Amino acid sequence: DSGVTQTPKHLITATGQRVTLRCSPRSGDLSVYWYQQSLDQGLQFLIQYYNGEERAKGNILERFSAQQFPDLHSELNLSSLELGDSALYFCASRSTTSPVAFFGQGTRLTVV
Amino acid sequence: ELKVEQNPLFLSMQEGKNYTIYCNYSTTSDRLYWYRQDPGKSLESLFVLLSNGAVKQEGRLMASLDTKARLSTLHITAAVHDLSATYFCAAPLTGTASKLTFGTGTRLQVTL
Repeated sequence: DSGVTQTPKHLITATGQRVTLRCSPRSGDLSVYWYQQSLDQGLQFLIQYYNGEERAKGNILERFSAQQFPDLHSELNLSSLELGDSALYFCASRSTTSPVAFFGQGTRLTVV
Repeated sequence: ELKVEQNPLFLSMQEGKNYTIYCNYSTTSDRLYWYRQDPGKSLESLFVLLSNGAVKQEGRLMASLDTKARLSTLHITAAVHDLSATYFCAAPLTGTASKLTFGTGTRLQVTL
């Protein structure tokens, strides 16, 4: 167990819908990262937050957004969902004193 | 743009054999990560290599980094079935800490 908690584990939704994925980082970790893993794109960095502020952006679609709350948990919002958004979405967290990011179990999103 | 390439993409090996997975990256990076992923599971941190010439070993796995050649290797010694998994290398752009670019992964299958 990495200490990073993601909910829900599985999500099935229809095209055009909106979903929210939740991540609780390891205790004390200020940095949260979101990654998408799909068969055709592999593992891709989406976005990073540090202590509530957006720190870096990767290949994140405009239909996707994220935020980190004062208690450091983070949410990834995916809207106007398309079939191609079906993927495994990982959250990772890292402390300021370690170079290693620890990954959660992921949320498997299926868009039908 | 940082690109990370791994080879081979798929590796089938017998128990007891040795093999090496290669990871090349395209631009300057000051560290290199190796992760393991079991099917449908999270990513588990194996090694983080922080400097040129760094070598780390854990059990039957040994990782090394040559920043001048932009090459990291993951060597498997006397493979056992439990090592069957997908192995990813990942690198950050210098100065961006854990905003990682992942390789395509090497799926390792160790046969009895």
